[in-house]
Amino acid sequence: AQSVTQLDSHVSVSEGTPVLLRCNYSSSYSPSLFWYVQHPNKGLQLLLKYTSAATLVKGINGFEAEFKKSETSFHLTKPSAHMSDAAEYFCVVRVNTDKLIFGTGTRLQVFP
Amino acid sequence: NAGVTQTPKFQVLKTGQSMTLQCAQDMNHEYMSWYRQDPGMGLRLIHYSVGAGITDQGEVPNGYNVSRSTTEDFPLRLLSAAPSQTSVYFCASSHPAGTELTDTQYFGPGTRLTVL
Repeated sequence: AQSVTQLDSHVSVSEGTPVLLRCNYSSSYSPSLFWYVQHPNKGLQLLLKYTSAATLVKGINGFEAEFKKSETSFHLTKPSAHMSDAAEYFCVVRVNTDKLIFGTGTRLQVFP
Repeated sequence: NAGVTQTPKFQVLKTGQSMTLQCAQDMNHEYMSWYRQDPGMGLRLIHYSVGAGITDQGEVPNGYNVSRSTTEDFPLRLLSAAPSQTSVYFCASSHPAGTELTDTQYFGPGTRLTVL
């Protein structure tokens, strides 16, 4: 069965420092993977997606993620955190043509 | 475009009451779905629809009914509310299922439901 595991429920960084949000996946074949972001009291928004093209995927707001098959990972990074990045981030895998499975989420706090 | 709209934003029910959560989209999306979000559990799929007249169960369908009579609307019905259904409910829509366009789902702002 396909699934994703987000390794940290909370991550805290200072403004201007790098961000790393970790996600491991389980899949019997090459998966489609995504990161969604949810700002407080808002719906979710697609940040970026990997669908077997380039392994380094660039998303909105300066975020990027690298698909590493050997490590079954799809970690989300950003070189320099901004206060507006404070949100909850979800790693997601497409199970079949119709369904997405969400990870449990990582709450990112950014301190001034 | 208004995107995906949900009403109400907040609702408090007593155990055993029924209600319908409304969801509408004006993007002519064929695919619509309902998720519930609980602390530490991410989003879980309740029901989904790949087009008008077609619905299917997701991961946690028990206690919920849906129908899809038009492309625009996808209401979620709780027939007899239980405290375990206290959650935040999100409706989402996207372009046709079976294509990569399904990957970009557009979410509504959510309905926060409390069942006492």
